[in-house]
Amino acid sequence: NAGVTQTPKFRVLKTGQSMTLLCAQDMNHEYMYWYRQDPGMGLRLIHYSVGEGTTAKGEVPDGYNVSRLKKQNFLLGLESAAPSQTSVYFCASSYASDGREDSGTDTQYFGPGTRLTVL
Amino acid sequence: AQKITQTQPGMFVQEKEAVTLDCTYDTSDQSYGLFWYKQPSSGEMIFLIYQGSYDEQNATEGRYSLNFQKARKSANLVISASQLGDSAMYFCAMRDPASGAGSYQLTFGKGTKLSVIP
Repeated sequence: NAGVTQTPKFRVLKTGQSMTLLCAQDMNHEYMYWYRQDPGMGLRLIHYSVGEGTTAKGEVPDGYNVSRLKKQNFLLGLESAAPSQTSVYFCASSYASDGREDSGTDTQYFGPGTRLTVL
Repeated sequence: AQKITQTQPGMFVQEKEAVTLDCTYDTSDQSYGLFWYKQPSSGEMIFLIYQGSYDEQNATEGRYSLNFQKARKSANLVISASQLGDSAMYFCAMRDPASGAGSYQLTFGKGTKLSVIP
């Protein structure tokens, strides 16, 4: 199993350009997530999906869009990139929650990350 | 308000010794989950260990154990017999039902950089 993979690994954009980051998982996970990590900080949730065809906003959704057309894929789009979007982007996936807040059923497993620089 | 606090920006440990990485959290919920992740210099986030708030025993996973003190709201990671490959950033995280994304969001601390000395 490859686990969670992300494409591309690195990208440099100019302000105003658009791009799409692809996340794929082969663990048959129901849930998928996009996070960003900025220097000296932990990860912050951008968007997430609890199933094929569904998406929802996380903590920092502005400037991003997502789509989950297939269960195994979760796409993150930047329509008009800004320097503030320079970051490392992580995709994660998990099994569906069993409804208990103290459960580890939906432990999130992360991809290798995409380093994005917007000039 | 900061939900997860990791007070040690950097730590050093001698190879083969044990080390404790601190994590305190803030929540008014009775039911919650706590996670530790490792981020080596290569950048990936690796899941290490999980503790549920109702678990009566501390979680263990190989050389990793979690010193969970619910009353103190602390969930410290203990690494026994440190190895050179343990040098990395370590992040404590909590499932945060009170966040905008509810239970789907993990709230992370700022991390502790562990360096293992030969």
